[in-house]
Amino acid sequence: NAGVMQNPRHLVRRRGQEARLRCSPMKGHSHVYWYRQLPEEGLKFMVYLQKENIIDESGMPKERFSAEFPKEGPSILRIQQVVRGDSAAYFCASSPPPLQGTRSGANVLTFGAGSRLTVL
Amino acid sequence: AQSVTQLGSHVSVSEGALVLLRCNYSSSVPPYLFWYVQYPNQGLQLLLKYTSAATLVKGINGFEAEFKKSETSFHLTKPSAHMSDAAEYFCAVSGTGRRALTFGSGTRLQVQP
Repeated sequence: NAGVMQNPRHLVRRRGQEARLRCSPMKGHSHVYWYRQLPEEGLKFMVYLQKENIIDESGMPKERFSAEFPKEGPSILRIQQVVRGDSAAYFCASSPPPLQGTRSGANVLTFGAGSRLTVL
Repeated sequence: AQSVTQLGSHVSVSEGALVLLRCNYSSSVPPYLFWYVQYPNQGLQLLLKYTSAATLVKGINGFEAEFKKSETSFHLTKPSAHMSDAAEYFCAVSGTGRRALTFGSGTRLQVQP
């Protein structure tokens, strides 16, 4: 079981370019979460997705950021027209669907190693 | 709405000393609480979780945490620090209907020889 796979691990972009970050969840996990970690700060929730469905995007910036989790393939976090303030580590996590009879929220999130975006 | 507050952004202990990392939570519903550890340039690894069973939770690497509802706390402890415990520790909360975790700002633990 390869765990949560993120690529690229490091990405350098110039201002105005696009950044695409990919996340393959653990086998058997159908839920994906994206978090951003700015230098010397904690993780900030961005978006929560199931296959072909955005469940919660309350943490996503209103412009330039989008996320998808298609039926086939990895989840993608896309940042258009990057600016220096987008430089951060972006972490993906995955979880299985809630077990029957359990309350949602109890599932453990398994994190990937992160993608570090540097905007020049 | 849920949130966690971690008191102390940096904690330094001597090797062999008690480790105490503080976390207080705020939640309008019964919370689920988690502690994660992050080593440099790595992702987060789960240390332990509280999901309304036993209030004293034991995790990996000798860590444990106690859920105290009266104090809205979930402090992380370890009786004897090892050099390998040096890392950043994050407390997190989730609750019914909200499966995404809300993280605290983290506490960086230094272990002095």
